[in-house]
Amino acid sequence: GIQVEQSPPDLILQEGANSTLRCNFSDSVNNLQWFHQNPWGQLINLFYIPSGTKQNGRLSATTVATERYSLLYISSSQTTDSGVYFCAGRETDKLIFGTGTRLQVFP
Amino acid sequence: SAVISQKPSRDICQRGTSLTIQCQVDSQVTMMFWYRQQPGQSLTLIATANQGSEATYESGFVIDKFPISRPNLTFSTLTVSNMSPEDSSIYLCSVVGGEAFFGQGTRLTVV
Repeated sequence: GIQVEQSPPDLILQEGANSTLRCNFSDSVNNLQWFHQNPWGQLINLFYIPSGTKQNGRLSATTVATERYSLLYISSSQTTDSGVYFCAGRETDKLIFGTGTRLQVFP
Repeated sequence: SAVISQKPSRDICQRGTSLTIQCQVDSQVTMMFWYRQQPGQSLTLIATANQGSEATYESGFVIDKFPISRPNLTFSTLTVSNMSPEDSSIYLCSVVGGEAFFGQGTRLTVV
């Protein structure tokens, strides 16, 4: 079955709007991380969040490990938030990626 | 945290040729990982590189096509051999110490 699943696949927002991205993961996957891939292909670490809640500026993330999901919140979105957001979890030593959420923020 | 220097950042290559991608880590690590990201897709693990032993390849990837070297605990290379346009992708190296860190990526275009 699918080990790491993300939704929605695409999201279009106007600047200033808030959004929530979801990541569901299977029992074999742990140590959730969230990444932002910029237009140049570079992966930017957003959160390493095996459980609990973390905040960094306008972004925050919550992982409920017992229910096998994680949420990434983006508040007051800006055009620079555009790109693809990936969640990934570890299965033994390997990092398993979700299919990503493509976010477009328009002015 | 770990800082990974990956190069080249991009290249355009002729079909049938090979390209070697290098990754240098600022600390010693047991395992290094190589990923491929095809256009519009997510990241897929190619292989795990251990120092002093042969790399472990994932299903669908073979050593003849993607030979890997791991001469020491801070350095690894991935070669994409006998390239075809289907090999056009972003290739990334990674290390894991709890949290995973990635190099800047190599954007490869095969013409």
